[in-house]
Amino acid sequence: GDSVTQMEGPVTLSEEAFLTINCTYTATGYPSLFWYVQYPGEGLQLLLKATKADDKGSNKGFEATYRKETTSFHLEKGSVQVSDSAVYFCALRRGGGADGLTFGKGTHLIIQP
Amino acid sequence: GAVVSQHPSWVICKSGTSVKIECRSLDFQATTMFWYRQFPKQSLMLMATSNEGSKATYEQGVEKDKFLINHASLTLSTLTVTSAHPEDSSFYICSSGGAGEASSYNEQFFGPGTRLTVL
Repeated sequence: GDSVTQMEGPVTLSEEAFLTINCTYTATGYPSLFWYVQYPGEGLQLLLKATKADDKGSNKGFEATYRKETTSFHLEKGSVQVSDSAVYFCALRRGGGADGLTFGKGTHLIIQP
Repeated sequence: GAVVSQHPSWVICKSGTSVKIECRSLDFQATTMFWYRQFPKQSLMLMATSNEGSKATYEQGVEKDKFLINHASLTLSTLTVTSAHPEDSSFYICSSGGAGEASSYNEQFFGPGTRLTVL
């Protein structure tokens, strides 16, 4: 079956550091890929997405590129802020909007001032 | 973005009782809603997909008679954990796909979750 593997945290960085959170997937066909973020006490929010190979999703300074050859969708940000502290989930969806998501375990990111 | 609410946010119940969790889409209509379960330090696991006006579709290994899902309107889906036991203690999260021009089928909107503790 489908699966998503992401690096486990917590990941602790200093403010303005470069961030990479690795995510790899296993799925048949051509899934859509997502990064969700969960701030304390809130629901998951879509951070960015990519629907086909070589697409780059970007939002709020975060980027991730859909790499079919390495089945990866790593999340990056050039300069993190304290406000980026949250839990980040990588996910895939095999079909369209009527299909549920398969999630990774989540990575807790802590940014220190 | 669209808002999805859940009620209650947390609940404690005795073993053997039933608990109902509500999931509402507040500013859009959702023909499809999803229910997930999350154990501590684990990923969200899809439990079932509910479609307004029809029976829910359950993922393999999820007991449909234990986790009753009703999606009676375009803005409300409910999950009832029947005869709850301590092993049902978990974090339950719903999400809602969009309907109509105001929403995108590419994005799911998540509720804040409900923490269930069964004593």
